[in-house]
Amino acid sequence: GAGVSQSPSNKVTEKGKDVELRCDPISGHTALYWYRQSLGQGLEFLIYFQGNSAPDKSGLPSDRFSAERTGGSVSTLTIQRTQQEDSAVYLCASSLGHSDEQFFGPGTRLTVL
Amino acid sequence: DAKTTQPPSMDCAEGRAANLPCNHSTISGNEYVYWYRQIHSQGPQYIIHGLKNNETNEMASLIITEDRKSSTLILPHATLRDTAVYYCIVRAPSSGSARQLTFGSGTQLTVLP
Repeated sequence: GAGVSQSPSNKVTEKGKDVELRCDPISGHTALYWYRQSLGQGLEFLIYFQGNSAPDKSGLPSDRFSAERTGGSVSTLTIQRTQQEDSAVYLCASSLGHSDEQFFGPGTRLTVL
Repeated sequence: DAKTTQPPSMDCAEGRAANLPCNHSTISGNEYVYWYRQIHSQGPQYIIHGLKNNETNEMASLIITEDRKSSTLILPHATLRDTAVYYCIVRAPSSGSARQLTFGSGTQLTVLP
């Protein structure tokens, strides 16, 4: 069975460029989370999607960050005008409804030069 | 969510059982105990959860004390691939709002050959 997949696995970009990160959740999972994790640090919550409800964007660090989820499945996290402090591993997780068992993808390692 | 306390590190010989303790003395009656782990350079991985009964799955067993103030995660036959940081989390059931995970410092388990 397919797990959560993310692409690209690695992304190197120049400061000021925009990037898009993709997450394919487990089929049938209605809840989707984006987190980021800096080296040696814990998880930082970014945004949460649940079904057709309005997303919880309370964790987005600035208005340069946005995310959408099309058709209740695939999600894209967009970072505009990237800064060096955006460098981190961006993790996507999905869960079945309100279940607290979250299944994580392998992450996208973003490096902003 | 209730606070948890875990030892910062543990070693275990390959093939032996790894017993990882977690204290959660302020746990409430409706809070579950969850365990996740994070292998180096990978996303977090759900392991197991329980309320008050002992639980077992293909990965591990979870033993919760009768007063529910502590629990032990047991990996019955540890392998080198089980080397990871293990996180114990206590959480109430989801009510539909964002249920982002917050990890403490966890226990670094090192399985030795």
